[in-house]
Amino acid sequence: DAMVIQNPRYQVTQFGKPVTLSCSQTLNHNVMYWYQQKSSQAPKLLFHYYDKDFNNEADTPDNFQSRRPNTSFCFLDIRSPGLGDAAMYLCATSLGGIETQYFGPGTRLLVL
Amino acid sequence: GEDVEQSLFLSVREGDSSVINCTYTDSSSTYLYWYKQEPGAGLQLLTYIFSNMDMKQDQRLTVLLNKKDKHLSLRIADTQTGDSAIYFCADLKSGGSQGNLIFGKGTKLSVKP
Repeated sequence: DAMVIQNPRYQVTQFGKPVTLSCSQTLNHNVMYWYQQKSSQAPKLLFHYYDKDFNNEADTPDNFQSRRPNTSFCFLDIRSPGLGDAAMYLCATSLGGIETQYFGPGTRLLVL
Repeated sequence: GEDVEQSLFLSVREGDSSVINCTYTDSSSTYLYWYKQEPGAGLQLLTYIFSNMDMKQDQRLTVLLNKKDKHLSLRIADTQTGDSAIYFCADLKSGGSQGNLIFGKGTKLSVKP
């Protein structure tokens, strides 16, 4: 089945220790998104890639970076995680920019 | 700025209908979505409606859109315990060639047996 896959499902890191979250898709979609969802809050868009074009939201902290080495994979790098970065991180894809977004299962990040 | 509002909680009895309401502020919406999130899981797309429609039905789900009042609702007929989850309303705004999905805070649906 075509799908959006996120690994790992749970990630524990230490305060200040860089961490990378992974997303892959078999849908061959052009757009890949990263959202941050804190407890009891709405998902908040961090950035997205339209093909190789990177689009950062204005209020996304510099601590968050992303890489998309090919169509299928997209990574979220948190350079120096703080306690406030503990959240569920959701990856989504869409065929085009104004198209339905399909979400992965999420990675829950815990910062100790 | 853009805003999507939902009530935070809804409790119904198994077998009853559930109606989850949502209001949005942006008039340039193209599509409006309903996503379901079970505990510890990602977002599952339930249904969506194009902004020039006023109703869409899909099995137990009925979406009503009042564009004049910027009001969207999701009706779940014959609600089951497996429908217990958080339901997010989301508004897809188009800005050039790229969309921006704005979510509400979610409505937690509790279904009592």
